[in-house]
Amino acid sequence: QQPVQSPQAVILREGEDAVINCSSSKALYSVHWYRQKHGEAPVFLMILLKGGEQKGHEKISASFNEKKQQSSLYLTASQLSYSGTYFCGTQGQETSGSRLTFGEGTQLTVNP
Amino acid sequence: GAGVSQSPSNKVTEKGKDVELRCDPISGHTALYWYRQSLGQGLEFLIYFQGNSAPDKSGLPSDRFSAERTGGSVSTLTIQRTQQEDSAVYLCASSRDSAMGTQYFGPGTRLLVL
Repeated sequence: QQPVQSPQAVILREGEDAVINCSSSKALYSVHWYRQKHGEAPVFLMILLKGGEQKGHEKISASFNEKKQQSSLYLTASQLSYSGTYFCGTQGQETSGSRLTFGEGTQLTVNP
Repeated sequence: GAGVSQSPSNKVTEKGKDVELRCDPISGHTALYWYRQSLGQGLEFLIYFQGNSAPDKSGLPSDRFSAERTGGSVSTLTIQRTQQEDSAVYLCASSRDSAMGTQYFGPGTRLLVL
């Protein structure tokens, strides 16, 4: 089943913070976050594993609540380069290999 | 190679014709995936190859779609008797292994069926 992302879209001013959520109705093993700029391929941001710690990279970090089957992506002090569509991809505990099921995406726009 | 490559980058075809889309994964990556992305939509899983195992074809939308992977490397996605609703960007990704590997995406093939 496809994970649900919220919000669908968000508009920020440079320097503001944002949170993007990803929820699943089934038990998850991992959550992957990707960012896609218009006309380009998705680019990997980070992966969160069941039982793992919160991940972070500079001003982008994420958490994974196993009990609620939810993950959140935190963007702090946003930069213009953060604009794009953010997708979460989930791997269920029963899914073979590393097949991911992606959410519909959250469109983030950062304005000057 | 340095990354996943796909060809052609753009393809315009007439309804009813067959098309072949090619994917060259990153050297050494054993897992390969095909996704479809319609305009403004998310990523729809199509098919997944892992080494010599039988592919996971559960995402293929109809029997007009098929894919193969030769020699554990290059993959070809074939769409027979194309329909207008097949128009989309077809993305290929590869990962080092099947165990939660990071997926690296190619630039995609933009297919337009007239």
